[in-house]
Amino acid sequence: DAGITQSPRHKVTETGTPVTLRCHQTENHRYMYWYRQDPGHGLRLIHYSYGVKDTDKGEVSDGYSVSRSKTEDFLLTLESATSSQTSVYFCAINSGGAVYEQYFGPGTRLTVT
Amino acid sequence: GQQVMQIPQYQHVQEGEDFTTYCNSSTTLSNIQWYKQRPGGHPVFLIQLVKSGEVKKQKRLTFQFGEAKKNSSLHITATQTTDVGTYFCAGKSQTGANNLFFGTGTRLTVIP
Repeated sequence: DAGITQSPRHKVTETGTPVTLRCHQTENHRYMYWYRQDPGHGLRLIHYSYGVKDTDKGEVSDGYSVSRSKTEDFLLTLESATSSQTSVYFCAINSGGAVYEQYFGPGTRLTVT
Repeated sequence: GQQVMQIPQYQHVQEGEDFTTYCNSSTTLSNIQWYKQRPGGHPVFLIQLVKSGEVKKQKRLTFQFGEAKKNSSLHITATQTTDVGTYFCAGKSQTGANNLFFGTGTRLTVIP
């Protein structure tokens, strides 16, 4: 497996609290992504990054922000968690080469009560 | 916007039967990738198809990319219990950033 970790792996939080999820890679890949996975929806892109301090929105970005101050770290913040943000969050990376397969982290299961 | 639909959503097969999942995009794709996610795990890359009409095989798995580059299929011959999981297609648009649009996935259950 690619060198990609996520923390925490599980979290339970209350509605209205801020939450930050961390993705860390040791592959020095340029591109990093945050997805959420919900039954019946597959994987939906929240935000992505194409370099340090270069980020952009995905299809479900409302209520989320990201930051990338170093190549290896990509943070996802839920500014004020809501129950609709209960989900499994996956981070992914790719090098941007010809076959830019995405390598996924192990996921973070977030429950907002 | 970009949409990638996948059918069926669920499929139960007896071990030894064949299985096929289909992927359809609302727009023409530059390429398509397939991923497998085991229960409780994370998606793992299987293959990428780039050319119109391309067919690739990996042992019992056959992947096809449509002539119009808007659809794709994954066929598994003689399923085994190790094939259990959810299979996702993911397409890259011909325009725009280096993003993939994932299908909704097909969850395969293999009955021994």
